[in-house]
Amino acid sequence: DVKVTQSSRYLVKRTGEKVFLECVQDMDHENMFWYRQDPGLGLRLIYFSYDVKMKEKGDIPEGYSVSREKKERFSLILESASTNQTSMYLCASLSGGETQYFGPGTRLLVL
Amino acid sequence: SQQGEEDPQALSIQEGENATMNCSYKTSINNLQWYRQNSGRGLVHLILIRSNEREKHSGRLRVTLDTSKKSSSLLITASRAADTASYFCATDEDSNYQLIWGAGTKLIIKP
Repeated sequence: DVKVTQSSRYLVKRTGEKVFLECVQDMDHENMFWYRQDPGLGLRLIYFSYDVKMKEKGDIPEGYSVSREKKERFSLILESASTNQTSMYLCASLSGGETQYFGPGTRLLVL
Repeated sequence: SQQGEEDPQALSIQEGENATMNCSYKTSINNLQWYRQNSGRGLVHLILIRSNEREKHSGRLRVTLDTSKKSSSLLITASRAADTASYFCATDEDSNYQLIWGAGTKLIIKP
């Protein structure tokens, strides 16, 4: 079975802090994604990566950056956390097919 | 961008009844997928239906697709308490691996 893990289930940070969210997949998938999920808004794509060191902006990249130094790991970085970045963050990976495999999510609270 | 729109936003039924959720989308697609999300968790893929298919079954799940109406429905038969979750439809976009997500239907199965 595909396994996607995220570094934290819950995270509390202060405004202005730099926040790292990490995602690791164990199936050698080329494509990885970071979403945020807010009530009533569904999933919104922040960034995705189709290969090591390659990244593409999604729909809401402002305030975020990403890093993909190794194929299995895709990191989301909040350079200076703000309260409007309080959300559920979901990582997913995709093989050559169409199905995305999700991690358990990180619920981030920015105070 | 949000393409899929689920209807209803919330649905509460008795255990054993059938649950039907609908999804509408705006542009042409190659396939449409349904995912389930248990409270506070990541999403799990349920079923994928291609644009040239009209109906697909998987266990107690039945998915239909009407490309002329740009809509899909997910039917869960003989519902169980464990089916309580949010259900999302997602459609693909040509030329990349991005999925466009709806806001989801929250399904509650009452014992």
